[in-house]
Amino acid sequence: NAGVMQNPRHLVRRRGQEARLRCSPMKGHSHVYWYRQLPEEGLKFMVYLQKENIIDESGMPKERFSAEFPKEGPSILRIQQVVRGDSAAYFCASSPLDYNEQFFGPGTRLTVL
Amino acid sequence: DAKTTQPTSMDCAEGRAANLPCNHSTISGNEYVYWYRQIHSQGPQYIIHGLKNNETNEMASLIITEDRKSSTLILPHATLRDTAVYYCIVRPLGGATNKLIFGTGTLLAVQP
Repeated sequence: NAGVMQNPRHLVRRRGQEARLRCSPMKGHSHVYWYRQLPEEGLKFMVYLQKENIIDESGMPKERFSAEFPKEGPSILRIQQVVRGDSAAYFCASSPLDYNEQFFGPGTRLTVL
Repeated sequence: DAKTTQPTSMDCAEGRAANLPCNHSTISGNEYVYWYRQIHSQGPQYIIHGLKNNETNEMASLIITEDRKSSTLILPHATLRDTAVYYCIVRPLGGATNKLIFGTGTLLAVQP
C-alpha cells in the first residue's frame, strides 16, 4: 500500500508565477490536510478537505492560496502570484476517517526566486 | 497556539531508553494525546496516541499521568535513526475540525 504521494518534490518559481502542488492520499483515505513549514519554523495547519468539500480553511492565507480535492484525482494546493515569503516545505497528510491518525507525505519544497 | 510544553532538546545514548516529557495541564476530558516525530527534512511520522491509559506499540510506549496533565513518550532502545524532532499534540475527539496543532517540539539527539 503506497503511502501519501506528493509531487513535485522540489519546485522553483519566480516571483509572480503560479505554483501547483499535488497530493495523492493513501488508498482508501478520503480526508486530506495541507500543512506549511517555513524555514526554521514549525508546521502550521493550512486546510482540511474531504472529497469535493473544504471542511476547515482557517489556516489558509486570505489571498492567492486555494485548495481543492476533486472527486477524481489528487488534491491540489494552488498558490497564485508567488512571493519570496511563500518559500517553504508544504506537507500533505491523509486519514481514512475523522480523527484517525494522519499519515504525511514527503513534502514539496517550494523555492521562490 | 499549541497546548503543550516540551523541552527544547534532549540527548540520549544509543541503545538506552529515551524518555520525552510533555506537559498539557489544560487538557480537556475529550482530548487525546498524540505523538509525532519529524526526521530532518522528512514528513512527520505518527508514533502513538492515548486518552488516559498507557499505550504501547512497536515504536514506543506512552505513559499518561493519572490527572492527565502530563505524559512521557518512551523509546525503549534508541538508535541513531531516532534522532528527530518529537511533537506532543493534544487533539479533541469531535468538533468542527481535525487539524493537528504543532508546537516547537523536542529535538532528540541520539549519540553514538
